[in-house]
Amino acid sequence: DTAVSQTPKYLVTQMGNDKSIKCEQNLGHDTMYWYKQDSKKFLKIMFSYNNKELIINETVPNRFSPKSPDKAHLNLHINSLELGDSAVYFCASSQQIGGGETQYFGPGTRLLVL
Amino acid sequence: GQNIDQPTEMTATEGAIVQINCTYQTSGFNGLFWYQQHAGEAPTFLSYNVLDGLEEKGRFSSFLSRSKGYSYLLLKELQMKDSASYLCAVRDSNYQLIWGAGTKLIIKP
Repeated sequence: DTAVSQTPKYLVTQMGNDKSIKCEQNLGHDTMYWYKQDSKKFLKIMFSYNNKELIINETVPNRFSPKSPDKAHLNLHINSLELGDSAVYFCASSQQIGGGETQYFGPGTRLLVL
Repeated sequence: GQNIDQPTEMTATEGAIVQINCTYQTSGFNGLFWYQQHAGEAPTFLSYNVLDGLEEKGRFSSFLSRSKGYSYLLLKELQMKDSASYLCAVRDSNYQLIWGAGTKLIIKP
């Protein structure tokens, strides 16, 4: 069983398009995250949700909009895609946001904007 | 600002020992994590330190000194499969994880 799953794994699209990435976790965790990993391999937190509520919203363009229909799902919608959005997007989950609990990562979505 | 520093790349020999250092400057401290990331894959958890000292887990150990803002990951009996990037991450006072850029470890036979 996959703990944290993301779809699609690869996404190639044109500038200006709108796309969504879906994430689901079956670990029963309360907290989910979206990260962006660029070509220099920096992992940057974008959003964090705890029990469907937004708790972290880093300085991310408002073209990026997360949606959490329930605590097992956190989807990421991106409007008007730009070349600089090309990166790997990782979804992750953890039991809580504090303490020593680990974050479990999905396999990543490789987004290429042409 | 908040900062995590790690060497960009290290090379070691199969069977040897390697130490990957991490220094941090963050607003508050609520624990330090090490993750392993193989090329093209997701990061996976290796270790967590919140108190000073050494945590040992098989071939991997992680050390923390909060007063020095310093940690290291020690890998013993290196195997070819240990070739990966190793990411240091610190949880700050707001419980946000601040990530380093990772250290790419190359293992040679």
